[in-house]
Amino acid sequence: GESVGLHLPTLSVQEGDNSIINCAYSNSASDYFIWYKQESGKGPQFIIDIRSNMDKRQGQRVTVLLNKTVKHLSLQIAATQPGDSAVYFCADSGGGADGLTFGKGTHLIIQP
Amino acid sequence: NAGVTQTPKFRILKIGQSMTLQCTQDMNHNYMYWYRQDPGMGLKLIYYSVGAGITDKGEVPNGYNVSRSTTEDFPLRLELAAPSQTSVYFCASSYTGATETQYFGPGTRLLVL
Repeated sequence: GESVGLHLPTLSVQEGDNSIINCAYSNSASDYFIWYKQESGKGPQFIIDIRSNMDKRQGQRVTVLLNKTVKHLSLQIAATQPGDSAVYFCADSGGGADGLTFGKGTHLIIQP
Repeated sequence: NAGVTQTPKFRILKIGQSMTLQCTQDMNHNYMYWYRQDPGMGLKLIYYSVGAGITDKGEVPNGYNVSRSTTEDFPLRLELAAPSQTSVYFCASSYTGATETQYFGPGTRLLVL
């Protein structure tokens, strides 16, 4: 079946730099996309979401971009901090009652 | 609100044993979900429920059972534990379905030996 995937398993950035985490999805029927942050030993924590009728959404220090033409999603984190170290998952939903389809995740490492 | 709570946090089972993973949410959410997460992987849906008395299979339901007698509780049952069920199990809930934010519990780490 179709699934959401990520381009890179690990991303290393300098503290204070901006981070960009990418995600490719394959389900053209997906209309809801969400980014989660998962710290070691914890459950996924909601960061930001976006619906297919939008191409950009901003939160506090985070921005999600959606390009439906190439089925690509990205998460931008401004001024990366040590507390941003975690695994980041993108997930999508085709609108049914069932759960989200998750990618494998990108491990974000912050260099001092 | 406590959000989504799960018990136990960690459990070791022998092959063939059974157990129930508990999940409770206090947000009055209609939808609840069970996922498993294998090492270095994303989450896969086991079962979900759209309301009390209604459950349905997800992507990987074999070896598991669920029930939803109340809005708050959504227990996951393993009848005959197998090593392939070694994983971290997450329960989640949302108000109106998969196109809304799902809130996750802290997880139950299960080891089957």
